[in-house]
Amino acid sequence: AQSVTQLDSHVSVSEGTPVLLRCNYSSSYSPSLFWYVQHPNKGLQLLLKYTSAATLVKGINGFEAEFKKSETSFHLTKPSAHMSDAAEYFCVVSEWAGGTSYGKLTFGQGTILTVHP
Amino acid sequence: EAQVTQNPRYLITVTGKKLTVTCSQNMNHEYMSWYRQDPGLGLRQIYYSMNVEVTDKGDVPEGYKVSRKEKRNFPLILESPSPNQTSLYFCASSLSLSPYEQYFGPGTRLTVT
Repeated sequence: AQSVTQLDSHVSVSEGTPVLLRCNYSSSYSPSLFWYVQHPNKGLQLLLKYTSAATLVKGINGFEAEFKKSETSFHLTKPSAHMSDAAEYFCVVSEWAGGTSYGKLTFGQGTILTVHP
Repeated sequence: EAQVTQNPRYLITVTGKKLTVTCSQNMNHEYMSWYRQDPGLGLRQIYYSMNVEVTDKGDVPEGYKVSRKEKRNFPLILESPSPNQTSLYFCASSLSLSPYEQYFGPGTRLTVT
């Protein structure tokens, strides 16, 4: 069974300061992990993905995430927040065993990022 | 333009009146999926399809049906909608499952009174 926990429902930062959105996962097999972003009244857009290659993953718009197996974490970071980063962010896990995915994706509850001027 | 389309975008209906939300993708993707989004719960997977005629339940399949007769279409059917199915629904597709990116539709906001 797989699960995802986003540790903060809301994060508030000032423009130009670092962003940290935390995600812990649970998976019985080798997981694939994703971060998606949803701007108000929009669909979801992929930020980045981890698929058992490099543990530090770089995504779009300056975001990156580090896969830490020992901590079962996949936290999302950005060195300097921009006003346009204000959105809701979802951490997603998909189990991946023996080259065949089980087909189920599990989303975290979401973290709303607010960026103050 | 590569995209996932959903129709209708907004729907208000009454309890028990059967409805269908259509989903279509033009990217020749094998994998398609339906999610519902509720405040504080994130997105929860309803059903998914690995290919034509292959569907399986996600985390919250009760009260929903799907079919995958063609690769491009994956309609979501509510045979007898109830108020607890009021939600924002998203369809998504990808070339295959992990590690490929899922492309999401614009969403369908459903209200059941």
